Amino acid sequence: DAGVIQSPRHEVTEMGQEVTLRCKLISGHNSLFWYRQTMMRGLELLIYFNNNVPIDDSGMPEDRFSAKMPNASFSTLKIQPSEPRDSAVYFCASSLGLPSYEQYFGPGTRLTVT
Amino acid sequence: KQEVTQIPAALSVPEGENLVLNCSFTDSAIYNLQWFRQDPGKGLTSLLLIQSSQREQTSGRLNASLDKSSGRSTLYIAASQPGDSATYLCAKTTSGTYKYIFGTGTRLKVLA
Repeated sequence: DAGVIQSPRHEVTEMGQEVTLRCKLISGHNSLFWYRQTMMRGLELLIYFNNNVPIDDSGMPEDRFSAKMPNASFSTLKIQPSEPRDSAVYFCASSLGLPSYEQYFGPGTRLTVT
Repeated sequence: KQEVTQIPAALSVPEGENLVLNCSFTDSAIYNLQWFRQDPGKGLTSLLLIQSSQREQTSGRLNASLDKSSGRSTLYIAASQPGDSATYLCAKTTSGTYKYIFGTGTRLKVLA
C-alpha cells in the first residue's frame, strides 16, 4: 500500500489566491483527518470525516477554509482567499476507525502564502 | 481544556544511552495513546499505540507504557542510535471520539 498520499508537497502562492490541497486515503480506511502544523501552535485538528461525512469541523479557523470528501478515498482542503497567516504544513491522516482508531499520516503539504 | 504536555522539550544524549520521554495529560479520561515520530520536513510515523485496556506496547528497542490513574505515558528507547534523532509526539483520544489531542513534542538528538 502506498500510504496516505498528499499533493502538492509544496505550494507557494500570493495572498488572495485560492489554494486547494489534496489527499488520498489508504485503501479501506473510513476516516479522514486534516491537521495544520505551525511552530507556534503545534499540530491542530481542522476537521475530520467518517464515512465521507464531516463529523467535527470545530477546528476550521474561518469561513475561508472548506473541506470536502467527494468519495470514500479522496478529500480536498480549500482556502479562499489565502492569507500569509495560513502558511503552515497541512497534513491529512486516515484511519480504519474502530477499534484502535490508529491514524496514519501523509507526508504533508508545505504552504507558503506571500 | 484538555492538554497534553511532553517533557523535556528537547534532549541530547550520546549514542548507546537508554532514555525516557514523558507525556502527561490533564484529563485522565483516555481511550488510546499513540506515540509518533516526526523527522524534519516529513510527516508523522506511528510508533506505538496503546489501547485503553492495555498498559504497555513494545516494538524492537521501543517500549511505551500508560498509567491512566496518574495521567502519564512514557516512551522508553533502549540503546539509542543517531538514526533515532527526531521529534517524538504523543497523542491521546478520549472514549467515544476520534479526536486526537497532540502533545507539544520532544526533540531528540542522539550524538554519534
